[in-house]
Amino acid sequence: EAQVTQNPRYLITVTGKKLTVTCSQNMNHEYMSWYRQDPGLGLRQIYYSMNVEVTDKGDVPEGYKVSRKEKRNFPLILESPSPNQTSLYFCASRWDRDRNEQFFGPGTRLTVL
Amino acid sequence: QKEVEQNSGPLSVPEGAIASLNCTYSDRGSQSFFWYRQYSGKSPELIMFIYSNGDKEDGRFTAQLNKASQYVSLLIRDSQPSDSATYLCAVNYRGSNNLFFGTGTRLTVIP
Repeated sequence: EAQVTQNPRYLITVTGKKLTVTCSQNMNHEYMSWYRQDPGLGLRQIYYSMNVEVTDKGDVPEGYKVSRKEKRNFPLILESPSPNQTSLYFCASRWDRDRNEQFFGPGTRLTVL
Repeated sequence: QKEVEQNSGPLSVPEGAIASLNCTYSDRGSQSFFWYRQYSGKSPELIMFIYSNGDKEDGRFTAQLNKASQYVSLLIRDSQPSDSATYLCAVNYRGSNNLFFGTGTRLTVIP
């Protein structure tokens, strides 16, 4: 089954404790993104990657890191989480920049205390 | 600043009626337009995309694009209670690597 998976689905952590949210897709998509979704603000892009070893900042990159060592995986890293990073996070993938039918993972609900 | 505007709703329609959802965007350089449906607590699900001016129909859904007026709409015919969700409009701008999303319109279909 073609899909985007994320883990964990739910996470409660404390300020400053490094965490990683994994994302994997099995569709051989080149383009992957991370979004956060907050009430009243909609979906905002954090980082994106156009291919292996190619990543760039989206609209709200502060406090986040990503890596793209393999085509299928695009982990999101919070080196020192803060309460304002409490949010619902989605990973997404699509074939490439020009084919914009984008598929989302199930989401990770993160709470930073 | 690229902006995508949607009325947040809630929009309530009776079962069997036509639901009309609207979206405006700020940049004339936009080239592709998407409608996503998002159930509460779930991820967005792509239901329609449209690239050219005019109408595009898929089952009970019709997307309408008017680039001159910079709006895109989604019509849902014969609305069902299962259509109750938040509908997100997304726009891709020429030369951009990002999809810009509106904040969504919450639709409730009343049985």
